Amino acid sequence: EVRLVQSGAEVKKPGDSLKISCQGSGYTFTTFWVGWVRQKPGKGLELMGITYPDDSDTRYSPSFQGQVTMSVDKSVTAAYLQWSSLKASDTAMYYCVRQGDEYDAFDIWGQGTLVIVSS
Amino acid sequence: DIQMTQSPSTLSPSVGDRVTITCRASESIDNWLAWYQQKPGKAPNLLIYKASSLESGVPSRFSGGGSGTDFTLTISSLQPDDCATYYCQQYNSFPWTFGQGTRIEIK
Repeated sequence: EVRLVQSGAEVKKPGDSLKISCQGSGYTFTTFWVGWVRQKPGKGLELMGITYPDDSDTRYSPSFQGQVTMSVDKSVTAAYLQWSSLKASDTAMYYCVRQGDEYDAFDIWGQGTLVIVSS
Repeated sequence: DIQMTQSPSTLSPSVGDRVTITCRASESIDNWLAWYQQKPGKAPNLLIYKASSLESGVPSRFSGGGSGTDFTLTISSLQPDDCATYYCQQYNSFPWTFGQGTRIEIK
């Protein structure tokens, strides 16, 4: 079964750093793009960026460039989303997604990681 | 960025109704459009890709159409399980962008 399994919920304070993970299984991890999608409470979906695990080619949506860092570790078939200094406005559900080709829909979604940033 | 506009924002149809949601792109996206269904507390699920191709495992009552800037998602006979929010997404021009969502509440 093709799956993306994400790390658990996090509660952090403003200014904290954080790295969440997404582990792929059931398919060849290196040949599918992996992306991250943000959903703020009660709001819609926003693409943060996508990365190609085989060569780490990473494309950030302009709104998220410089705000987060996306990375992958092929050896453990995992993708990561990292913040160096969280803000309250980062409170959201974060989904990792699989994308087939360079131009393709998101056919597999992780279960989501809820990040709450509160003082 | 390409803006995606869905209408209506909410719908309150009855079981068995034919339901159509529209999605308009701010510029042509050819047929690089997907539709997703999101139930409360769950991750979205891909229904339609390339505007009209049904994802494997998705019931045949769902269908998609359109090209260029105007697209539709149709549910031929609404079922109770279809109560959800539906999003369109373009993947013609990076960054891929989503519509604001259409919530279906069954009457």
